Amino acid sequence: TQLLEQSPQFLSIQEGENLTVYCNSSSVFSSLQWYRQEPGEGPVLLVTVVTGGEVKKLKRLTFQFGDARKDSSLHITAAQPGDTGLYLCAGPTVGGNKLTFGTGTQLKVEL
Amino acid sequence: DTAVSQTPKYLVTQMGNDKSIKCEQNLGHDTMYWYKQDSKKFLKIMFSYNNKELIINETVPNRFSPKSPDKAHLNLHINSLELGDSAVYFCASSRLATDTQYFGPGTRLTVL
Repeated sequence: TQLLEQSPQFLSIQEGENLTVYCNSSSVFSSLQWYRQEPGEGPVLLVTVVTGGEVKKLKRLTFQFGDARKDSSLHITAAQPGDTGLYLCAGPTVGGNKLTFGTGTQLKVEL
Repeated sequence: DTAVSQTPKYLVTQMGNDKSIKCEQNLGHDTMYWYKQDSKKFLKIMFSYNNKELIINETVPNRFSPKSPDKAHLNLHINSLELGDSAVYFCASSRLATDTQYFGPGTRLTVL
């Protein structure tokens, strides 16, 4: 079973702070997706990383895929209350017939 | 235009009852899913269908029966509801099995 462990599980910070969320596995993934889920809604894709070492930026969010394609990180610069939500990483399983989701990081950004 | 819709949004029912959740997608995707999100926010796949054919059944109890009348619809019927079935159920669709998943808004099921 390919597991994706995310850390931290919970994060509560003040507006303007920086933070990093980690997604780790002992297995190699061909790609990883990052989703954000806001309260009362379904997850929405933020980005997909495909190449080992790849860095993608989405405004204040920076995503990195580890060189060995076993881990990924999400860095948020100058967090805003609108960044509040559950962040989930997800990767295709061996055989490629489904996604396995990470354990999730619940982020709360306060004024 | 809502891409993936599911009804109802909330479902409160007694143990032992039977209930259904409906899902529709207008994205033209061939693959649809049911996911369960537990109280710890862990999201786990239950079923996937490709063009009305069952592809994945993740050892879900027989009390759960998905039905896909056409490739735009995937419904979930649950018999003899148990307390442990309380969770948020998400319908999703994608073009291919591991492509971007487009999720519905979720159905919060509470079994009393």
